[in-house]
Amino acid sequence: DAGVIQSPRHEVTEMGQEVTLRCKPISGHNSLFWYRQTMMRGLELLIYFNNNVPIDDSGMPEDRFSAKMPNASFSTLKIQPSEPRDSAVYFCASTPNSGGADTQYFGPGTRLTVL
Amino acid sequence: DQQVKQNSPSLSVQEGRISILNCDYTNSMFDYFLWYKKYPAEGPTFLISISSIKDKNEDGRFTVFLNKSAKHLSLHIVPSQPGDSAVYFCAASSNQAGTALIFGKGTTLSVSS
Repeated sequence: DAGVIQSPRHEVTEMGQEVTLRCKPISGHNSLFWYRQTMMRGLELLIYFNNNVPIDDSGMPEDRFSAKMPNASFSTLKIQPSEPRDSAVYFCASTPNSGGADTQYFGPGTRLTVL
Repeated sequence: DQQVKQNSPSLSVQEGRISILNCDYTNSMFDYFLWYKKYPAEGPTFLISISSIKDKNEDGRFTVFLNKSAKHLSLHIVPSQPGDSAVYFCAASSNQAGTALIFGKGTTLSVSS
């Protein structure tokens, strides 16, 4: 089992550039989550999908952030334009079911640095 | 406003001793709680969970205690081992379809040999 796959693992970009983070959930999982980890705020939920449909995007910081899940095996998180304060580790996670009481399986994360 | 709080950013213990990591929550609708462990450069991995109908769940060296009246849970690791050194996240959710986990900020545990 490959687990949750994220790419790239590291991204360094300049302020103002567009950044796209990618996630492939575990096959058969129905829910997908995007998190951001920073020292100050810990692990924050940005958005999650159930059966490819966005359910709660209240954690998305601002309009510069957008996420899509065009099919059950792929999701993207886009930041346009990027800013230095977006520097963080971004995690994707998936669960088998749509309920809240479910173990989430995390990917290895993408470390984003915006200069 | 944080719904899940881990007030101790770090904890240091000696190998063989007990490690106690604490977590408080504010939302009385939470009825399922989990602990995740995270090593550097890796994603968090599930460690242990507890439902609100229980007050204790044990898995080997790891035990989670839940005090619903105090809205408090704790993770006990005994005996602690150097390989337990990691960041530990407490998480909570309500057992309803379409809800997500809410995580605390994490506690960094360092176990010295």
